[in-house]
Amino acid sequence: SYELTQPPSVSVSPGQTARITCSGDALPKQYAYWYQQKPGQAPVLVIYKDSERPSGIPERFSGSSSGTTVTLTISGVQAEDEADYYCQSADSSGTFEVFGGGTKLTVL
Amino acid sequence: QVQLVQSGAEVKKPGASVKVSCKASGYTFTSYGISWVRQAPGQGLEWMGWISAYNGNTNYAQKLQGRVTMTTDTSTSTAYMELRSLRSDDTAVYYCARRIAAAGTQTGWFDPWGQGTLVTVSS
Repeated sequence: SYELTQPPSVSVSPGQTARITCSGDALPKQYAYWYQQKPGQAPVLVIYKDSERPSGIPERFSGSSSGTTVTLTISGVQAEDEADYYCQSADSSGTFEVFGGGTKLTVL
Repeated sequence: QVQLVQSGAEVKKPGASVKVSCKASGYTFTSYGISWVRQAPGQGLEWMGWISAYNGNTNYAQKLQGRVTMTTDTSTSTAYMELRSLRSDDTAVYYCARRIAAAGTQTGWFDPWGQGTLVTVSS
């Protein structure tokens, strides 16, 4: 079955830039989406269609795509950004959707 | 505002079935799909499948095919997910989410999500 690979953890100091990657063979063909999940809460969409930001999401959140890797970038990280982040996409046929394993962002 | 409200927590014995509901409001229910995602304790998100609220077409994750059924009631803007033959590893928080199709593709994104329903499977 198709898999998306994320690093288990990323750590940054406040004000620095955090980059979270997601790799998958079908990413050149399929859009990627990113979700933020804080403890005890439902996930929240932060990026859709690789790089689009929903209304209400701060401008410091951005997304990019290059080949088989997509990246969520959080510029000027704040303490409130500490959370788990998940990428989501689909297999090459678009039939089955899949999540990456998740990345825990720690703000030091 | 767009909102999805799910039914309450459930405790089930192994081999039983569970049916979780998800009531939508604030948008035209039949214009979008509903996806179901689960999260086992301390684990990541697992896509279970989705249903088109427009025509009832479904697409289930391969590992759940034969045990899961997703339905909708357009008269009440409510989606349902039934999981049968429950096992202990089905213990998880189950989320519904509005599925928004990406134009020109077969994929989509999930926004917003329901608050989640904890299903515990234990003898």
